[in-house]
Order: sequence, then structure tokens, then C-alpha cells
Amino acid sequence: EAQVTQNPRYLITVTGKKLTVTCSQNMNHEYMSWYRQDPGLGLRQIYYSMNVEVTDKGDVPEGYKVSRKEKRNFPLILESPSPNQTSLYFCASSSPARNTEAFFGQGTRLTVV
Amino acid sequence: EDQVTQSPEALRLQEGESSSLNCSYTVSGLRGLFWYRQDPGKGPEFLFTLYSAGEEKEKERLKATLTKKESFLHITAPKPEDSATYLCAPDGTSYGKLTFGQGTILTVHP
Repeated sequence: EAQVTQNPRYLITVTGKKLTVTCSQNMNHEYMSWYRQDPGLGLRQIYYSMNVEVTDKGDVPEGYKVSRKEKRNFPLILESPSPNQTSLYFCASSSPARNTEAFFGQGTRLTVV
Repeated sequence: EDQVTQSPEALRLQEGESSSLNCSYTVSGLRGLFWYRQDPGKGPEFLFTLYSAGEEKEKERLKATLTKKESFLHITAPKPEDSATYLCAPDGTSYGKLTFGQGTILTVHP
């Protein structure tokens, strides 16, 4: 089954404690992205990757890092989380070569206290 | 910079009452426009891709249309299970960078 898998689904952490949210896709897609979703602000892109070792900033990259060492994985790293990073996060993947739509993961709800 | 505006922000319908949702966009080199449905706390679920002005696509009670400046999602005789947030996202020449509208929250009452 084609899917994008994020872990964890829920996470409560404290300010300043480094964390990583993992994302994995099994569709051999070139593109992967991270979004955050906040009430009234919609889905905003944090970072995206067009292929292995190629990443670029989206609209709200401050406070986040990403890496793309393998095609299937695209982890999101918060080096020093702050309360304003409390949000619902989604990972997505797509294949421009095959002109496919983006497939989304099930989401990670992060709370930073 | 790509811009997307969806209207209305929220729409309440009675079961069977047809209506339309609007997605207006300003995108360089539109390659396609996506419509998604999102249920609370879940990831967006793909509905349609439209590639050129004049194109229409249908799925059950939903029909999406596209012009050069906007897209419409028509809902015919909606049911309560159609209640969700509907998102549009035009795909331009900024490869990998997808800009979503803020969505229309649709509520269908029985």
C-alpha cells in the first residue's frame, strides 16, 4: 500500500529539548515536504526536498532543520523547540516526473511546553 | 510570489443544498491545480488535479472546474459525510514548493 508514515503521532516536549520527527515514503517519490498547520493560518511549507541531498526552505523554515540522505526518508529536526512551534505537522511526497499529486502522512501533533 | 485565496472561509449547508467553493490564485506558470479534502486531525486526502483552463473533473457529488484565474469545487446534493475542510493548491514553476489556500470548512447538516 502506498503510504507516507510519520512518527511519532503525538509528542509533548519541553522547551529546548532537541527532537526529530521521522517521515518515510514507500512510493520512490523524488519530492518530499514538511508542512505545519495552525488554526487560521492553514498549511504552510517548512522545507522541501527535490531529491537526495537537495533541500530548500519553504515559507516558515526558522527553527527547523531537515536532511535527505536517502530517497525514502525526510526527517524534521527541531534543535531547540519553543512553544511557538506547537503545531500539527504533516509530511508529504510526490513525483513530478510522473506528475502525481502529493500524498500526505497522518500528521504529528507536537506540543512544546 | 504565489498567492491563493479560498472563499468562503466556512460554509454551512442543509443536506441536499448544492453550492460552490472558490479558489482564486496567482501563480507563475501553472502546471496544475490540486483539490484536497481534510478531516479534523488527519492529513489532506487527494481529490482532483486540473491541468488546463476549461477542464472539469467529477467524483461522486463533487465537480471541480478550472479557469485561468480560479477554480471551483461544486457540491451537488451534499450529505453530512461531505463535511470537511476543502483545500486547493496550485502547482507552479517553483518546483517542490506548493502553496495551499487556507481552506473552506464545509458543514452539511442532516
